[in-house]
Amino acid sequence: QSALTQPASVSGSPGQSITISCTGTSSDVGAFNYVSWYLQHPGKAPKLMIYGVRSRPSGVSNRFSGSKSGNTASLTISGLQAEDEADYYCISYTCSNTYVFGTGTKVTVL
Amino acid sequence: QVQLVQSGAEVKKPGSSVKVSCKASGDTFNTYAINWVRQAPGQGLEWMGQIFPVLDTANYAHNFQGRVTLTADESTSTAYMELSSLRSEDTAVYYCARDGSLRDFDYWGQGTLVTVSS
Repeated sequence: QSALTQPASVSGSPGQSITISCTGTSSDVGAFNYVSWYLQHPGKAPKLMIYGVRSRPSGVSNRFSGSKSGNTASLTISGLQAEDEADYYCISYTCSNTYVFGTGTKVTVL
Repeated sequence: QVQLVQSGAEVKKPGSSVKVSCKASGDTFNTYAINWVRQAPGQGLEWMGQIFPVLDTANYAHNFQGRVTLTADESTSTAYMELSSLRSEDTAVYYCARDGSLRDFDYWGQGTLVTVSS
């Protein structure tokens, strides 16, 4: 199972919106609405930001939103803030009853 | 409040095995699956496998089949990940994470650093 493809880096200025893509196949991202997104600060455990493609856990800012089209899922961060600077990972459930992570995206706030 | 607390850092020799524990509190241990994820230094996240305590069954990532064993002790609400035939490339932080309602990982342990060095 190959890792889902994410851009290595995305940057934006404070207040702007950025979108991170997560491209898989019809056996993972395209097969189920089981895509979730995680934020990870250096040295810390990942934190769930979006689940079920577009749902936000309690306590996560509504500046974070998720969507999916075909085999590609996306995470959008609107009103970019300095604290959003981190690594972001997507993950999808697969037809083999396994999971596959994305390659990860480093978000930089300029 | 759900908490996953993992065992402490380990230093192992190549060829040996390591067993990391993940103790759950604050919720019904048997209701959810526990996943194991690792992250090598400077690298991304890698899913290793998951165990369903109530069924005592596990699914493994292809890359780890035959080398990793996931178990769970319902009496202590503790999940275990054992990795054998260790090599230097297995040096990583190992995380446990609860499988949530929509196949998400909603709660994570703090991570356990395993260093493989001769």
